[in-house]
Amino acid sequence: AQTVTQSQPEMSVQEAETVTLSCTYDTSESDYYLFWYKQPPSRQMILVIRQEAYKQQNATENRFSVNFQKAAKSFSLKISDSQLGDAAMYFCAYRSEGGTYNTDKLIFGTGTRLQVFP
Amino acid sequence: DAGVIQSPRHEVTEMGQEVTLRCKPISGHDYLFWYRQTMMRGLELLIYFNNNVPIDDSGMPEDRFSAKMPNASFSTLKIQPSEPRDSAVYFCASSFWGATSYNEQFFGPGTRLTVL
Repeated sequence: AQTVTQSQPEMSVQEAETVTLSCTYDTSESDYYLFWYKQPPSRQMILVIRQEAYKQQNATENRFSVNFQKAAKSFSLKISDSQLGDAAMYFCAYRSEGGTYNTDKLIFGTGTRLQVFP
Repeated sequence: DAGVIQSPRHEVTEMGQEVTLRCKPISGHDYLFWYRQTMMRGLELLIYFNNNVPIDDSGMPEDRFSAKMPNASFSTLKIQPSEPRDSAVYFCASSFWGATSYNEQFFGPGTRLTVL
């Protein structure tokens, strides 16, 4: 079974600085998708960025980028120019590829709470 | 689009009572997911539907939990009888197969359930 591990329960960063959140996963599959979701105090789960395993190029969305290391099964999130509004829980998630029903599940890590200081 | 809609946003009930959580997925989406979030267990998938048919309910904790999707625009998650350990935030999410290869799941705002 696939697992997702986020080893940093909490991280903090100063406004305008850069922070990296770690995520590792375990799978025997070669094709899959990885996601980072943000959960602010409002509880709303917001998709931040996504990556297809077969794409070597790291995904980027404005100030958010990932470092995807497939061989190492690592998928870290880098937040550049941190803003106060980035303060939230961040969840890493995995989804299988394969075209069958059971591939639609998202498997989440335990989350990293990010604090942003002015 | 209004996004995924869940009601109520907060529910406080007493042990033994029946609780019904409601979800309206994004129009046109063909997958619907129910998740539970607790401090101890994090986010866990309870059940999901495809075209209103339950596909995988292996995450449903026990027979006290049941979920239905009578049509494409409505789903319920029922707990009967409720217990204090059911206290959690329950999320509904929906997705559309084939919209993109990612089939992103879009989440509702969640229902915070407190069972006293």
